[in-house]
Order: sequence, then structure tokens, then C-alpha cells
Amino acid sequence: DGGITQSPKYLFRKEGQNVTLSCEQNLNHDAMYWYRQDPGQGLRLIYYSQIVNDFQKGDIAEGYSVSREKKESFPLTVTSAQKNPTAFYLCASSIYDRGGTEAFFGQGTRLTVV
Amino acid sequence: DAKTTQPPSMDCAEGRAANLPCNHSTISGNEYVYWYRQIHSQGPQYIIHGLKNNETNEMASLIITEDRKSSTLILPHATLRDTAVYYCIVRLNAGNNRKLIWGLGTSLAVNP
Repeated sequence: DGGITQSPKYLFRKEGQNVTLSCEQNLNHDAMYWYRQDPGQGLRLIYYSQIVNDFQKGDIAEGYSVSREKKESFPLTVTSAQKNPTAFYLCASSIYDRGGTEAFFGQGTRLTVV
Repeated sequence: DAKTTQPPSMDCAEGRAANLPCNHSTISGNEYVYWYRQIHSQGPQYIIHGLKNNETNEMASLIITEDRKSSTLILPHATLRDTAVYYCIVRLNAGNNRKLIWGLGTSLAVNP
């Protein structure tokens, strides 16, 4: 059945290592998004992509990178430049970014950097 | 997109109706009210949205005041599985998902 899948659910990394979070959707959605969620804060947009081979920075893109080589996939790399990488990361998709289309979210990846 | 104000937390007894308020006093005429919920350690889930008329679906009902400055999400018979954070978001229907403002929502605890 259709949906958006994030993996893994929990991820542990040592400080200074890059780590890549996976996000795959089979909803045939053009738009995909990465959010970060910290305790006591709302969701904050890291990167978004409106179409294959195109992506734009969100509000807190520093220390992160993405790629959108396929419509179904939008992986997020947390680099060693990210000062506080420990957080809950959420991937979402929608038919288009505009038009009020509903956003579907994955189950999230909880990243802990030690 | 207009900002919203929600109480940080609420309690509800299992089987009773849960009424979650949202204030959006600066809403403009073409902005919709959307509700999402997030169960602990999961992604947010869309519940319902409306413009001015009351809306109902299999999950909930949405009551929007006549002046559209506030709304109430109603879960008619709350269960333990409805324990979650509920987000009220105001947006233009033609607006961008990337511009949604996610506040802190209301943490609803449904008690047995």
C-alpha cells in the first residue's frame, strides 16, 4: 500500500561522522520535505524539493545536504558541520507544494549523536 | 499564513468528547483552518480542514465560529489512542506546504 517510509527509526552516530537518513515514497508525489523536531519546538523546515533534480534550503539548512535524483527518494545527510544534530527528523511529501494539497509524513528517524 | 494559539495541554476521559480550541484572530478571508495530530514518536497525521462551514469526517468534527477567529476540533468519543499532540494550522489553500507554521500544539491526554 502507498505511503512514505523513513529508515532507520533509531540511529546512533559518533560526533564528527556524517550520517544519511533515508526517505522513500510511493505516492507519486512531486514535493518532498525534511523537518527537524526538538523538544519544546515546532517542526522546522530543513530542505524541500518541488520536483526531481531540484531542491531548496528551508529555514535551518546549515549542516545538512540533500539530493533528489529520483521522484521517490529524498535522502538527508547530516554532516559534521551540524552543531546539534541530535533530534527527531521527519520526512513528508505532497502532490505539489502549492494548491493546498495534504502533506503526508513518515514515521520519523530519531538521531542521537554521542 | 496567520498564526494560531492553542492551550498547551488538555485532559479528557475515555469515551467522552474532546473539544480542542484554537484561536486564529488574524485569519484572512481566503485562509483555511487545518488540523493535524502527532502521536508520540510518529509523524503528524492529517485530520480535517475547513474554510467557514462546519466539517465532519470519520475522525473528527471541525466547528469554525461565524467570525472565523476561532475553531474547535471535536473528537466525539475519545479513546486512549487519541492521546497525541494536536496542531491547528491556518493556511491559504493555494499556499505552499513549505510555509506552514507548526506551533507547539495541544498535548491531549485521554485518561481511562
